[in-house]
Amino acid sequence: QSALTQPASVSGSPGQSITISCTGTSSDVGGYNYVSWYQQHPGKVPKLIIYDVSHRPSGVSNRFSGSKSGNTASLTISGLQAEDEADYYCSSYSSTSTPVLFGGGTKLTVL
Amino acid sequence: EVQLVQSGAEVKKPGESLKISCKASGYTFITYWIGWVRQMPGKGLEWMGIVYPDDSDTRYSPSFQGQVTISADKSISTAYLQWSSLKVSDTAVYYCVRRGSLRGRFDYWGQGTLVTVSS
Repeated sequence: QSALTQPASVSGSPGQSITISCTGTSSDVGGYNYVSWYQQHPGKVPKLIIYDVSHRPSGVSNRFSGSKSGNTASLTISGLQAEDEADYYCSSYSSTSTPVLFGGGTKLTVL
Repeated sequence: EVQLVQSGAEVKKPGESLKISCKASGYTFITYWIGWVRQMPGKGLEWMGIVYPDDSDTRYSPSFQGQVTISADKSISTAYLQWSSLKVSDTAVYYCVRRGSLRGRFDYWGQGTLVTVSS
């Protein structure tokens, strides 16, 4: 069981918006603004798409956005495209003995 | 251009030792943490541990403490992940990753090293 909880799967149609949640505790997600999100296409290397809750690295589409409320962070993808079909992982800094946590991953299917 | 180039795929038998590498270039090696992430077949990402090359400060996930050794050689800008006795359950892809601080993000990833352990 992963330290951060994500839904196993989400789906949406092209053009729609979807949101993936990432739930932790006050020692990680809720306590710090150090949540990041990674996109991984099948057989490919994960790619950073959001950092520090809501910041996008250069070159990442503005269709990707991040937010946080309490112990839950969220990744929203607007204007879904076929190329968005991938696995998405959240990660957070933690003040416990394990400073880096990952979520279990969410498989996004574009219908 | 920042690059993390990992050593090639390995096929090993249970009980054998192994050391895989991650060669960094395009930035000042000693000013960033280098971590390792495991991905077992069909599974998610797992953080294993991280090292700060300047002073070799190393932190491990409790799940991997005592199971692997993470190190770095700043003279050649290379990080390592090693096992003294591999298990079949160590079969996975291992990624090295760069992190600006312990609280930061993994902004660059190596291409991954597939380790297969089979008798």
